[in-house]
Amino acid sequence: NAGVTQTPKFRVLKTGQSMTLLCAQDMNHEYMYWYRQDPGMGLRLIHYSVGEGTTAKGEVPDGYNVSRLKKQNFLLGLESAAPSQTSVYFCASSYQAPGLAYEQFFGPGTRLTVL
Amino acid sequence: GDSVTQMEGPVTLSEEAFLTINCTYTATGYPSLFWYVQYPGEGLQLLLKATKADDKGSNKGFEATYRKETTSFHLEKGSVQVSDSAVYFCALSDRGSGGSNYKLTFGKGTLLTVNP
Repeated sequence: NAGVTQTPKFRVLKTGQSMTLLCAQDMNHEYMYWYRQDPGMGLRLIHYSVGEGTTAKGEVPDGYNVSRLKKQNFLLGLESAAPSQTSVYFCASSYQAPGLAYEQFFGPGTRLTVL
Repeated sequence: GDSVTQMEGPVTLSEEAFLTINCTYTATGYPSLFWYVQYPGEGLQLLLKATKADDKGSNKGFEATYRKETTSFHLEKGSVQVSDSAVYFCALSDRGSGGSNYKLTFGKGTLLTVNP
């Protein structure tokens, strides 16, 4: 099993450009998440999904959109990139809710720089 | 709302030293508690967890005990190795109903460096 994979690994954008980050999991997990990690800030939840066809906002959703058309994939889109979106983005998935003590499995991350 | 506070880093230790990373939490419900570890250049991975008061989670020589009376979940290891150098995150998830249990709330992370 590949677990959780993310593409691309690195990307440099200019302000105003758009891009899509792809997350794929092969563990048949219901829940999927997008986080951003910034120095001194820990991980902050951007959007999440509790099943195919569903999405919901997390703590910091502004400037991002997501889609979960297939159970195994969770896409994160930036329509008009801004320098404040320079960050490392992590995708994660879990079989069930972490409140029920289910582990979240993380991808290796995408390092995005917006100039 | 829920929150996690963990000790500021960085923490630098010599090999075989004793490690404690403090973590306290605030939760409206009765949370599950986790420690995740992030090795350089990688994503986070679960280190250990506990789901109820006085539970002790353990893995790879690390331990943490769920202390409801002090709202704490401190991470300890008796003898650290160079390979333990990483960032450690304390996290919680509320087990309550109403949809709040979907989310992990993370602390800011503590960087541990172990020197030979």
